[in-house]
Amino acid sequence: DIQMTQSPSSLSASVGDRVTITCRASQRIDTYLSWYQQKPGKAPKLLIYAASNLQTGVPSRFSASGSGTDFTLTISNLQPEDFASYHCQQTYSTPWTFGQGTKVEIK
Amino acid sequence: QVQLVQSGAEVRKPGASVKVSCKASGYSFTSYYIHWVRQAPGQGLEWMGIINPSGGSASYAQRFQGRVTLTTDASTSTVYMELSSLRSEDTAVYYCAKEMIAPSHLDYWGQGTLVTVSS
Repeated sequence: DIQMTQSPSSLSASVGDRVTITCRASQRIDTYLSWYQQKPGKAPKLLIYAASNLQTGVPSRFSASGSGTDFTLTISNLQPEDFASYHCQQTYSTPWTFGQGTKVEIK
Repeated sequence: QVQLVQSGAEVRKPGASVKVSCKASGYSFTSYYIHWVRQAPGQGLEWMGIINPSGGSASYAQRFQGRVTLTTDASTSTVYMELSSLRSEDTAVYYCAKEMIAPSHLDYWGQGTLVTVSS
């Protein structure tokens, strides 16, 4: 199975900050990488697919990049509604494994 | 609009089985695979398996092999996830999600179903 390692596991930030979350795959996955946002008690919501493609309706302050084994999700100008958990997932091969998640908290 | 609506919360005793449904609407049911993902309390997301609603072929994560069965009913656009030999560690929220292909990703998710395993 492909192991996905996210860092950090949590971070504190303020409204207006720029936040970066990283995700590393245990083997090369090309650009088969998605990012999801999850709020407490809710289902995950797709933000980014194919490593850098913004899902329709997702604000442009979210951006992502990467290929191969190293990927990043960046949130520019953090807004109150962005405080949530973020998960990466590889879709290169089954099982479609997830990172352990990153919780973005209010400083 | 695309919707995946899951059945309600369940409570089971250890050793029992549970069957969770996921009813799809707003798109061509047989054209897109459905995945199941679970999340234990305070934990991350765990992929369980995938089913092709056209024909019903399924594939499972190794750790669930022999305990999980995914089935589909095209007449009602519903996918089912049955997990047997339940143990306390199976207490989790179970999600179904629709796969969009080329490139693959999960674009729509059900609301989740809490399964509690307790004696």
